[in-house]
Amino acid sequence: DTAVSQTPKYLVTQMGNDKSIKCEQNLGHDTMYWYKQDSKKFLKIMFSYNNKELIINETVPNRFSPKSPDKAHLNLHINSLELGDSAVYFCASSEISGGVSSNEQFFGPGTRLTVL
Amino acid sequence: GIQVEQSPPDLILQEGANSTLRCNFSDSVNNLQWFHQNPWGQLINLFYIPSGTKQNGRLSATTVATERYSLLYISSSQTTDSGVYFCAVEDTGGFKTIFGAGTRLFVKA
Repeated sequence: DTAVSQTPKYLVTQMGNDKSIKCEQNLGHDTMYWYKQDSKKFLKIMFSYNNKELIINETVPNRFSPKSPDKAHLNLHINSLELGDSAVYFCASSEISGGVSSNEQFFGPGTRLTVL
Repeated sequence: GIQVEQSPPDLILQEGANSTLRCNFSDSVNNLQWFHQNPWGQLINLFYIPSGTKQNGRLSATTVATERYSLLYISSSQTTDSGVYFCAVEDTGGFKTIFGAGTRLFVKA
């Protein structure tokens, strides 16, 4: 059973297009995240959602719009894709208790986005 | 914000050798995790260790929160240990996780 899943695994698209990446977790967690890993393997948090509410937005361009329809899903929509958006995007989830993260984060397999 | 520094940045080992990876962080944190990113890109949880010592097979980790560092020990390394090892800390606000730049490990047969 996959704990955190993402689709698609690979995404190749042209500059200017709009695309979405989906994430689902079956761990019963209440907090979900999106991370971007660049070509040098550096991982940086983009967003975090707790109980479907946006908690963290790390100065990500507003072309990136996360949406959480329920606690088990956090999707990432990207408008007007640029070359610099090429990266691996990871979704993760954890359980937050009393406003403080007391449990570990679990990561999905990643989505490799290539913008041509 | 919190700075996370990992050392060494790169490490080459002969199979069977032991090694220690270090993670320093600049401020108090809620928790700390170690991950292994394998050559296929998967991020695998190794340890959730805000303080103390834990062991799992050939791997063990120690976090000394008061001195703001954590160590990951790999004993009797195997070629399958190759990949990138990341340390990640969560700030005291509770929702922001900061990753170190990683240690790239290559284990030669």
